[in-house]
Amino acid sequence: EAGVAQSPRYKIIEKRQSVAFWCNPISGHATLYWYQQILGQGPKLLIQFQNNGVVDDSQLPKDRFSAERLKGVDSTLKIQPAKLEDSAVYLCASSVGTGFGYTFGSGTRLTVV
Amino acid sequence: GEDVEQSLFLSVREGDSSVINCTYTDSSSTYLYWYKQEPGAGLQLLTYIFSNMDMKQDQRLTVLLNKKDKHLSLRIADTQTGDSAIYFCAEFVNSGNTPLVFGKGTRLSVIA
Repeated sequence: EAGVAQSPRYKIIEKRQSVAFWCNPISGHATLYWYQQILGQGPKLLIQFQNNGVVDDSQLPKDRFSAERLKGVDSTLKIQPAKLEDSAVYLCASSVGTGFGYTFGSGTRLTVV
Repeated sequence: GEDVEQSLFLSVREGDSSVINCTYTDSSSTYLYWYKQEPGAGLQLLTYIFSNMDMKQDQRLTVLLNKKDKHLSLRIADTQTGDSAIYFCAEFVNSGNTPLVFGKGTRLSVIA
């Protein structure tokens, strides 16, 4: 079974620039999550999709972050404009149902300078 | 509310046992998980335990759950240098569509 694919692996941008991350979940996994992991901390949920609908985006800074999941498969997470404090690893995960059997991608490490 | 706490660092000698501890606050937790994260990698599910269990053993890993004290531990027997990583405790509360809530992670260093 192929894992959760994320790209790019690394990204360095200047503050106020825009950036987008892509995630391809495991085939058949209805639930997709984006987590932000700041250095030295545990992952924090940004947004959760069930198929192509948003279930929870209460922790997403909506003034600068946006996410979509087209056709209930791939997802993109965008930051516009980026701030220094957005430097983190952005992890995508998918699961068959909610809360069980999460599989994480390798993440995208974002550095904002 | 949900909150998961872990000690930040643990150092052990190769061949010794490691015990990583975690406390959680939500007594409604249904599953509790241990994830491992190696440098530059995503999170790898190590093991999990249902809230109606006290213990689960899987090869070198033993998970103990004390529901009364809301305390979870992960014991790694015969710790190897390859076990050096950050270990995250996570809880899942089966209420609506709640996601996993993670602790800050315990960095395990294994000294040869």
